[in-house]
Amino acid sequence: DIQMTQSPSSLSASVGDRVTITCRASQSISSYLNWYQMKPGKAPQLLIYAASTLQSGVPSRFSGSGSGTDFSLTISSLQPEDFATYYCQQSYSPPQTFGRGTKVEIK
Amino acid sequence: QVQLQESGPGLVKPSQTLSLTCTVSGGSISSGGHYWSWIRQHPGKGLEWIGYIYYSGSTYYNPSLKSRVTISVDTSENQFSLKLSSVTAADSAVYYCARAGDTAIFDYWGQGTLVTVSS
Repeated sequence: DIQMTQSPSSLSASVGDRVTITCRASQSISSYLNWYQMKPGKAPQLLIYAASTLQSGVPSRFSGSGSGTDFSLTISSLQPEDFATYYCQQSYSPPQTFGRGTKVEIK
Repeated sequence: QVQLQESGPGLVKPSQTLSLTCTVSGGSISSGGHYWSWIRQHPGKGLEWIGYIYYSGSTYYNPSLKSRVTISVDTSENQFSLKLSSVTAADSAVYYCARAGDTAIFDYWGQGTLVTVSS
């Protein structure tokens, strides 16, 4: 199975901050990398797919980049509703695998 | 807008079979083009893909769970279901149903349901 390693596991930030989360795959996955936002009691939301394509309806402050083994998710200006846990997922090779998550907390 | 909703018992005894159903609204499972999936999250841990089913009944399971998992579909009810046999405490988790395209991108999810395995 392809292992997905996210960092950091958590971070504290303020509204308006620029935040970057990284995800590394244990082997090359081309651009088959997706990002999700999860909040307690709510349905997870797809943010970015194919490494850098913004899902319809997702604010443009979210962006993704990378290819091969190294990827990142950036929130350009953190908003109150962005405090959540973010997961990366590889869709290159089954079984699809996820990172352990990055919890973004209020500073 | 596609919506998914999980349902089923929140408590299952060890060695028994966990059974969950996902009801889909706002879209038809039988229209094809999507894979209807189960994913779980152990408390405080990451996400684990369990498997998915196509409307035709074709299934794909995570090899780590394959011997215990059955996913089925009922297109007349627009539902799909998960059965996980011989459960232990290690199967306690929040179980999500989700829709995926043919590139395994999960674009719609349910809110999740907590299942605890305990006597």
